Amino acid sequence: QLQLQESGPGLVKPSETLSLTCTVSGGSISSTSYYWGWIRQPPGKGLEWIGSIYSSGSTYYNPSLKSRVTISVDTSKNQFSLILSSVTAADTAVYFCARRGDYGRSFDYWGQGTLVTVSS
Amino acid sequence: DIQMTQSPSSVSASVGDRVTITCRASQGISSWLAWYQQKPGKAPKLLIYAASSLQSGVPSRFSGSGSGTGFTLTISSLQPEDFATYYCQQANSFPNTFGQGTKLEIK
Repeated sequence: QLQLQESGPGLVKPSETLSLTCTVSGGSISSTSYYWGWIRQPPGKGLEWIGSIYSSGSTYYNPSLKSRVTISVDTSKNQFSLILSSVTAADTAVYFCARRGDYGRSFDYWGQGTLVTVSS
Repeated sequence: DIQMTQSPSSVSASVGDRVTITCRASQGISSWLAWYQQKPGKAPKLLIYAASSLQSGVPSRFSGSGSGTGFTLTISSLQPEDFATYYCQQANSFPNTFGQGTKLEIK
C-alpha cells in the first residue's frame, strides 16, 4: 500500500523559506505515469494546488506562487520536496503531498498533512 | 486558469436523503474532473475520477456525471459517515484547480 508522509518545520518566520519533504513508501517515486504534487489548505478554507513534478523532473507550478516555489525530487531517497520562499502569514496552512495517479489524473494517494504556521 | 464553481456552498440533509452537488468549470474540461471528500483534520479522499468513475473501495451510493463544463456528484442515500466537505477538481490542465467546497451537514 502506497504511503506518503510530510515532514518539516511547523513554524517559519515571515520572509524566511518554508521547506517540506514528502517521503514515499510502498512504491517507487521513479515509476512512470505519475506526478507528485503539493496542495495546501489555510485554516478553515479550501484546497489550493501548489505544483506538481513528474518522475522525469518536469515541474508545473501555480502561477500565483510560481515566483516563490520550487519542487524537486530525490529518487535515491524516494522523496520529493517543496520550497516556498519569502513566506508571509498568508502561507500559513496545512500542506499535503499527494500522488496524481494513472486514472483520471486525480490525486489518489495523500499524506496526512502538516500544519505550517508563519509567525515571528 | 480554469475556475471551478461549486454549488451549493453548504447543504443540510438527513440520513437516507438523496443529495446532489454541482460543479461548473469556466471552460470545457472534457471529463477531467475528480471529486473528493474531506473530514475535519483529515486529508481529502478521492471518490470519483474522470467525472464518473468510482474509485476502488468507495461505496456505490456515490456517483458522478457530466462532461464539458457541468458536473454533478450524487449521494443516493446519505449515511452518517457521509457528512463532510466535498471538493471538485479539474485535471484537464495545469494549474489544477479546486472548487471552493460544499459542506454537507446533518439536518
